[in-house]
Parts: sequence; structure tokens; C-alpha cells
Amino acid sequence: AQSVTQPDIHITVSEGASLELRCNYSYGATPYLFWYVQSPGQGLQLLLKYFSGDTLVQGIKGFEAEFKRSQSSFNLRKPSVHWSDAAEYFCAATRGSARQLTFGSGTQLTVLP
Amino acid sequence: NAGVTQTPKFQVLKTGQSMTLQCAQDMNHEYMSWYRQDPGMGLRLIHYSVGAGITDQGEVPNGYNVSRSTTEDFPLRLLSAAPSQTSVYFCASSPWGPLQETQYFGPGTRLLVL
Repeated sequence: AQSVTQPDIHITVSEGASLELRCNYSYGATPYLFWYVQSPGQGLQLLLKYFSGDTLVQGIKGFEAEFKRSQSSFNLRKPSVHWSDAAEYFCAATRGSARQLTFGSGTQLTVLP
Repeated sequence: NAGVTQTPKFQVLKTGQSMTLQCAQDMNHEYMSWYRQDPGMGLRLIHYSVGAGITDQGEVPNGYNVSRSTTEDFPLRLLSAAPSQTSVYFCASSPWGPLQETQYFGPGTRLLVL
């Protein structure tokens, strides 16, 4: 079955520190991959997406993600976290012909001052 | 553009009651979908629609009905609410589908079934 796994339920980092959020997928073929962010009480906002080509993808708000086929991973990174980055982050995937997104269970990010 | 709007923001129901969650978008998007969000489970797709008159089931469709009579509206109906349907519900839309298209999410409806 197709699945997306985010192994970290909760991550805490200090403001200014670097961040990496993990995402692993299980699909028969390379899926299309997404990262969304959800601020408290809000809907989801797309940070970035990967379809093909360069395996390092740049997104909004200074985020980037790297696709690694050998590890079935699509980890999200940011060099220096800001307090406003505190939110819940979701990795998601879909296959080329699919009309459905499969979401991971999310990672809650806390940023310490 | 108002984007994707959802009403109500919050609702309390008793077991067995029915209700309709409203979703509307003013971006002329063909694709609309409903998700439920539960702690530790991320978002799960309930139903989706690729255009007026066309709907299909997602991952967790049981207990929910949908219809798509216009491009703008995609209501979600709970015919007989159950406590297991306590959740936060999100509506989303995109021009053609989640593939290659940014989905726009509404602010959510928080539903409590007693």
C-alpha cells in the first residue's frame, strides 16, 4: 500500500538553529512529493513540491527539500529557523495518474527563543 | 477573491443528527476535495470531485455523502453523525487536481459529536 511516513511527531529547535524534518514514502514508483505547513487554527499552505529533475527543491519562506530515491526520502530543511516557523508540517505524495494526495501524520515544530 | 470558504467554523452535534458542511470557492477550480484531520493521523481524503456532477470516494468515505451541482460549491453531508466523526474538516480546491497543482485549503470546520 502507498504510504507516507513522518517519523518525528514533535521536534524542538532553538531560534537560529538549522532544521531537518524527515519524510519517507512507500510507492511502487517515484511519486510526486509535497511539503505543506499548517499554522495554528489555519488551513494548509504549500511550501514546495517535487515532480522531477533537480533533486534539491527550493520553496517559500526559505525552506528547501531534497529528494533521495535510494532512501525513499524527501526531507525538509531550513538553515536558520525563525520563531514564526513554529507550526505543523505535513509531507504528502501522489502518483502521476492519481487524484488523491496521501499525507503523512505530521511533525509539530516548536521554536525556542 | 475570497479563496476557499467553509461554514460553519465550529459545530456541536448529538449522535444521530445530520448536518451539512459547506465549502465554496471563487477561483473556478474544477477539482475540490474534503479531508478530515485527526491527531496523529494527518489528513485523510474523504471525497473528491473533478468537476460539476462528478464525485468519487477517497480513503475514508463511510458516513459521508457529497454532491457537486456547481463548480463553486462542494458540500459534505453527515446523514447520521457518530462520535467517531469528531474531527476537523478541511475543504481544498485546485484547477485540475493535486498533481502539479497547488491545492488551496479552507480554514477548516471543527466538529464535535456527542
